[in-house]
Amino acid sequence: AQKVTQAQTEISVVEKEDVTLDCVYETRDTTYYLFWYKQPPSGELVFLIRRNSFDEQNEISGRYSWNFQKSTSSFNFTITASQVVDSAVYFCALSEARDSNYQLIWGAGTKLIIKP
Amino acid sequence: DTEVTQTPKHLVMGMTNKKSLKCEQHMGHRAMYWYKQKAKKPPELMFVYSYEKLSINESVPSRFSPECPNSSLLNLHLHALQPEDSALYLCASSQTMDLQLVGYTFGSGTRLTVV
Repeated sequence: AQKVTQAQTEISVVEKEDVTLDCVYETRDTTYYLFWYKQPPSGELVFLIRRNSFDEQNEISGRYSWNFQKSTSSFNFTITASQVVDSAVYFCALSEARDSNYQLIWGAGTKLIIKP
Repeated sequence: DTEVTQTPKHLVMGMTNKKSLKCEQHMGHRAMYWYKQKAKKPPELMFVYSYEKLSINESVPSRFSPECPNSSLLNLHLHALQPEDSALYLCASSQTMDLQLVGYTFGSGTRLTVV
């Protein structure tokens, strides 16, 4: 069965520290997509990144970076020099093909608290 | 316009009331979704519409009734809800149901309280 595990329920760091959010997934598909979403207190889910299973290059976008390791089935997310505005719940998700359609399997989320 | 707009942002309703949640997008997306999210939990898929037709119903109770009047609009009609239905209801859209092409765009949700 497909599954996404975010073992860190809550992380609290002081502003400007670097922080890594872990995501481990299970799937039998050879082709799949992984996602990260941010959910601030306002409630909206903000798309951060989509990565396909054939692209293992790490990606950097400003202070955000993602490390995709197929060998360990992990897709970790690092925020460098964290800021208070980064405080949110972060979800990792895996696309699942079902009846020719694709749905998301969500991790439980990691609540990130950045203290000033 | 790259947004999904949901109204109202907050709703309090009694168990005998009938109300509707509204979702609108003008990105030309042909797949639209309703999700329910309880506090401290990930979103749970409720319904999927593809090209204005109901494609997926995740065994949602009949007190929730979705409607897709046109390609830009998605409604969720609520009737005889229970207090445990209190949650954040999120609408999302994507170009098609194939997530391999694009991800979802989510609205900011309607926070529903049933009293």
